[in-house]
Amino acid sequence: GEDVEQSLFLSVREGDSSVINCTYTDSSSTYLYWYKQEPGAGLQLLTYIFSNMDMKQDQRLTVLLNKKDKHLSLRIADTQTGDSAIYFCAENPGGSARQLTFGSGTQLTVLP
Amino acid sequence: GAVVSQHPSRVICKSGTSVKIECRSLDFQATTMFWYRQFPKQSLMLMATSNEGSKATYEQGVEKDKFLINHASLTLSTLTVTSAHPEDSSFYICSARADSAYEQYFGPGTRLTVT
Repeated sequence: GEDVEQSLFLSVREGDSSVINCTYTDSSSTYLYWYKQEPGAGLQLLTYIFSNMDMKQDQRLTVLLNKKDKHLSLRIADTQTGDSAIYFCAENPGGSARQLTFGSGTQLTVLP
Repeated sequence: GAVVSQHPSRVICKSGTSVKIECRSLDFQATTMFWYRQFPKQSLMLMATSNEGSKATYEQGVEKDKFLINHASLTLSTLTVTSAHPEDSSFYICSARADSAYEQYFGPGTRLTVT
């Protein structure tokens, strides 16, 4: 995931909002994704945003996309202990439907 | 959402033996399946892409003779780790994509330990 960067760790208190940031490099990516991975499990697709959108909201999740800066963020409102997991952002370089490039993942820890 | 299963979820094998991991799309036809490897605390590394009925495309540095991939049907792909060694111990995850879709759905992963 050298082309997609994320901070490694984030800790928040239960009930607060979490914001996980990601920067990517391929401006031709047509979709950007957020996946969640719980310990010992596979990846769960949380949400994705098309590159011509600035914002997408789905219940507690809000995705913001700044295409000019190639910056993507995931905001989780009212963070719960069950949200503790690793969050990966991913892009599809060259607009390819075949392949995704993942970031290194951000470990979100929700404190009681 | 679409469901992808993997079997087994965990396997321990002796060095030199071969291990087969299955990846199935349960409620959709997957024209493309992907195999990833994940080391502890690290991101996913794409190993290969398989399209139903054709040979898999391997990423640079992945030995195709060691990691045999078969995508014989639209719902099943298999990864066989041949002559496994301790350094092959890892978490292997598959994902599947339906034709013309941009979403990839991931399996729960298989923990391989080679002793």
